[in-house]
Amino acid sequence: TQLLEQSPQFLSIQEGENLTVYCNSSSVFSSLQWYRQEPGEGPVLLVTVVTGGEVKKLKRLTFQFGDARKDSSLHITAAQPGDTGLYLCAGAGGGADGLTFGKGTHLIIQP
Amino acid sequence: DTGVSQDPRHKITKRGQNVTFRCDPISEHNRLYWYRQTLGQGPEFLTYFQNEAQLEKSRLLSDRFSAERPKGSFSTLEIQRTEQGDSAMYLCASSSAGGLWDEQFFGPGTRLTVL
Repeated sequence: TQLLEQSPQFLSIQEGENLTVYCNSSSVFSSLQWYRQEPGEGPVLLVTVVTGGEVKKLKRLTFQFGDARKDSSLHITAAQPGDTGLYLCAGAGGGADGLTFGKGTHLIIQP
Repeated sequence: DTGVSQDPRHKITKRGQNVTFRCDPISEHNRLYWYRQTLGQGPEFLTYFQNEAQLEKSRLLSDRFSAERPKGSFSTLEIQRTEQGDSAMYLCASSSAGGLWDEQFFGPGTRLTVL
C-alpha cells in the first residue's frame, strides 16, 4: 500500500509570512501533483513535477520534487489570505492507476 | 471547454435508497476516474475508465457500487442500498491518455448525505 504523508496537517500563519509544507512517501512515483481544494469544491491542479530534483515556480509558490522521487515540498513566500485552503499532494504511477493522495495540509492565512 | 462537470452537486437520501451520479469529463479526455473523499481525508481512488472500458477497481468499490461509461463520454456512478457510511464527497476527474503525465482535472464533486 502506497502512502503519502503530509505535514503539517494544520498551519495558521499571518499574512506576509513564508511557509513550507511537506509530502513524504516510501514509494517512488513517476510524477507528483499538487492540488488546492476549497470547502465544497473539487481539487484544482496547481503543478505536476516529474523529474527527481525538479523545481517549479508558480508566482509565490515553489514546488520541489525529491531526487529519489519519493517526496516533495511546497514553499509559499509572503503568504496572502487568498492562499487559504487545503493543499493536497498526489502521486501517480506508484503501481495503481489512480492517484494516491495525502490527507492534505489545511492552511489558514490570517490578515 | 467548460471543464469537468458533475450532477447533482448535493444529494440527500435515506438509508436503503439507490442514488446515481453523473460526470461529464473534459471533451477530449479519454480517461475518467471516480474518487471518494470523506471529511479530513484526501480523495481515495474508486475506479477508472479508458474510453468505455473499466480498467481498474479499488477494493473500496463494494458490490453495491457500479460505474458505467457506455459511450466513452459521460459516466455514471450508482450506489445501491445506501448506508450511512457512504456519506462522502464523490469526485470525478478526467485526463488524456498519452499525455506526458497523468494530469487529472477534477470536477466540483457530488456531496452525498445518507440519513
